[in-house]
Amino acid sequence: ELKVEQNPLFLSMQEGKNYTIYCNYSTTSDRLYWYRQDPGKSLESLFVLLSNGAVKQEGRLMASLDTKARLSTLHITAAVHDLSATYFCAVDLLNDYKLSFGAGTTVTVRA
Amino acid sequence: DVKVTQSSRYLVKRTGEKVFLECVQDMDHENMFWYRQDPGLGLRLIYFSYDVKMKEKGDIPEGYSVSREKKERFSLILESASTNQTSMYLCASSTGSYTEAFFGQGTRLTVV
Repeated sequence: ELKVEQNPLFLSMQEGKNYTIYCNYSTTSDRLYWYRQDPGKSLESLFVLLSNGAVKQEGRLMASLDTKARLSTLHITAAVHDLSATYFCAVDLLNDYKLSFGAGTTVTVRA
Repeated sequence: DVKVTQSSRYLVKRTGEKVFLECVQDMDHENMFWYRQDPGLGLRLIYFSYDVKMKEKGDIPEGYSVSREKKERFSLILESASTNQTSMYLCASSTGSYTEAFFGQGTRLTVV
């Protein structure tokens, strides 16, 4: 059974500082997805990482994938209030259509 | 833009009622999914479908069934609603492997 673990589950960020969210998964996979969810809203796709060493960046967010370590990181640079949300990572397996999600990391950015 | 539309944002139902949650996608996606989201548990897969009339159980199918008669529509059915099925339900669709899933806006179901 594929298990996906995120940490931390809650993250209080100070504006302007850098932080990292970690996503570990239990079974070999080379596909990992990051989503964002605002309170009361649905999930929005942020990044799709499809190979070992993949790195993607959008604004203050950068995601990377290390398939050998079964680890993805979501790095936040110079946090701003607009980044307050819950971030989920998700993994699927070869020849399997199902996404398995982590529990989510709830981010709050304070002044 | 891909659009996944769920029929209701909020529903309140009584214990024992049969409940239908509807989901429609407009991008000709093969795969459709139903997840439930509970605090601290992330998203858990209830059922998914990779083709019309095809369905497979996810991680928590008990108490639920699904129907996919047309490619664009995927329905989740609670045969006899119970209070432990109070949750946020999210529908999603995707084109296949190696692509992200697109989510609907969610249905917050309360069973009283």
